[in-house]
Amino acid sequence: DTEVTQTPKHLVMGMTNKKSLKCEQHMGHRAMYWYKQKAKKPPELMFVYSYEKLSINESVPSRFSPECPNSSLLNLHLHALQPEDSALYLCASSQPWNTEAFFGQGTRLTVV
Amino acid sequence: AQRVTQPEKLLSVFKGAPVELKCNYSYSGSPELFWYVQYSRQRLQLLLRHISRESIKGFTADLNKGETSFHLKKPFAQEEDSAMYYCALRGGFQKLVFGTGTRLLVSP
Repeated sequence: DTEVTQTPKHLVMGMTNKKSLKCEQHMGHRAMYWYKQKAKKPPELMFVYSYEKLSINESVPSRFSPECPNSSLLNLHLHALQPEDSALYLCASSQPWNTEAFFGQGTRLTVV
Repeated sequence: AQRVTQPEKLLSVFKGAPVELKCNYSYSGSPELFWYVQYSRQRLQLLLRHISRESIKGFTADLNKGETSFHLKKPFAQEEDSAMYYCALRGGFQKLVFGTGTRLLVSP
């Protein structure tokens, strides 16, 4: 299995809602990433987990809360988002020493 | 500062024509460069990396440290090459910095 699976594919949420994005990989990778991609823009790194520990937080607002419950799963908890947070959220995984990252299809998030 | 510049938003060529997608970078250390590709309705995937020095789907890219460039080339473009291409720089441990991307459109 060489895929990174993200659920849901699409999500519409209100500014007062709490929701979670999920990411799963079974390639034995020990680094997992969250990227944010706005329309017609490149992906921008948000968080990196290495060996299930948060290793990079790119000054992301606290309304985004990542979680890595085990080596195969990565969550992104969302609370009190703003309309400008609407974007494609990409999950990726790799070995920690190798930045050849495998990307998921993304979750397209719309905040209303 | 680490930065990747792709000057062309769109590159349109005819089938069989040569293709060169430009990428310039700014990085104070020893860079590791990648090209990622995103075909329509598909996920972002690695096309090639400079340390591999390999050709994938007919594409090659050479790291030129003097010109700080990592241009992607293919001698004869195919329609199936139409996609979004991102140049990326490994800037720091595990951190990938992407360029703004070039959309390649190959017409029959």
